[in-house]
Amino acid sequence: AQSVTQLGSHVSVSEGALVLLRCNYSSSVPPYLFWYVQYPNQGLQLLLKYTTGATLVKGINGFEAEFKKSETSFHLTKPSAHMSDAAEYFCAVSDLEAGGTSYGKLTFGQGTILTVHP
Amino acid sequence: DSGVTQTPKHLITATGQRVTLRCSPRSGDLSVYWYQQSLDQGLQFLIQYYNGEERAKGNILERFSAQQFPDLHSELNLSSLELGDSALYFCASSAGTANEKLFFGSGTQLSVL
Repeated sequence: AQSVTQLGSHVSVSEGALVLLRCNYSSSVPPYLFWYVQYPNQGLQLLLKYTTGATLVKGINGFEAEFKKSETSFHLTKPSAHMSDAAEYFCAVSDLEAGGTSYGKLTFGQGTILTVHP
Repeated sequence: DSGVTQTPKHLITATGQRVTLRCSPRSGDLSVYWYQQSLDQGLQFLIQYYNGEERAKGNILERFSAQQFPDLHSELNLSSLELGDSALYFCASSAGTANEKLFFGSGTQLSVL
C-alpha cells in the first residue's frame, strides 16, 4: 500500500523567498505522484504531476517538483513566493493496480499550510 | 471554475439521519470520485465510478453508498449519520479511468449535530 508523508504541517515564508514543501512517499510499485493546492473554500487544483520520464516536473504558477527515487521524495519548490501562493498544499500518490495502470485512487498526505508574509 | 458541480454546498442534519450529496462531473468526463476531508483523517478516497460502474473502493463505510447514473452524475448517500461523519465531501471527475488529472468540485460541508 502507498503512503505519503508531508514534513511540516505549516510553512511560513516571506514574499520573494524560496518555497520548499517536503513530501516523501512509500510505494511498492513505480509511483505516480501529484501536488494539489487548495485555496480557502475551494476544491483541490492540480499543480503538477510525475508519471514517467523527466524527473524534474514543472507545473502551474511557477512551481516545480523533482522526483528522487533514491530518496523516495517529491519536494515542491518555487523560487520566489507570492502572496497569492498562500494556501494548503497536498502531495499525493496514485494507487496502481497490477500492470501499472492508475485507477484514480489517490492517497494524500496530511497537507502543508503555506503562509506568505509581506 | 473546475466544471464539477456539487450540491448542496452546506448541509446540517442530526445524528441518525440520511442525506444525499450530488455531483455533476465536467462535461465529457466519465469517471467520478468521492473523497472525504476531515480534520482528523485528512483527505480520504471513498469510491470511484466509471461510466456507471464501480471501479475502485477505498475506506468507505457500509453506511455509505454511491451510484453513477446514465447521465453520469453521481450521488453519495450517507445513512445512520454519526457526529464523526461531519466533514467536507469532495467530488472529482476525470476523462477516463487513469487519474492523470482530477478536477475537484468545491465540496459539500456536512455538519452532523
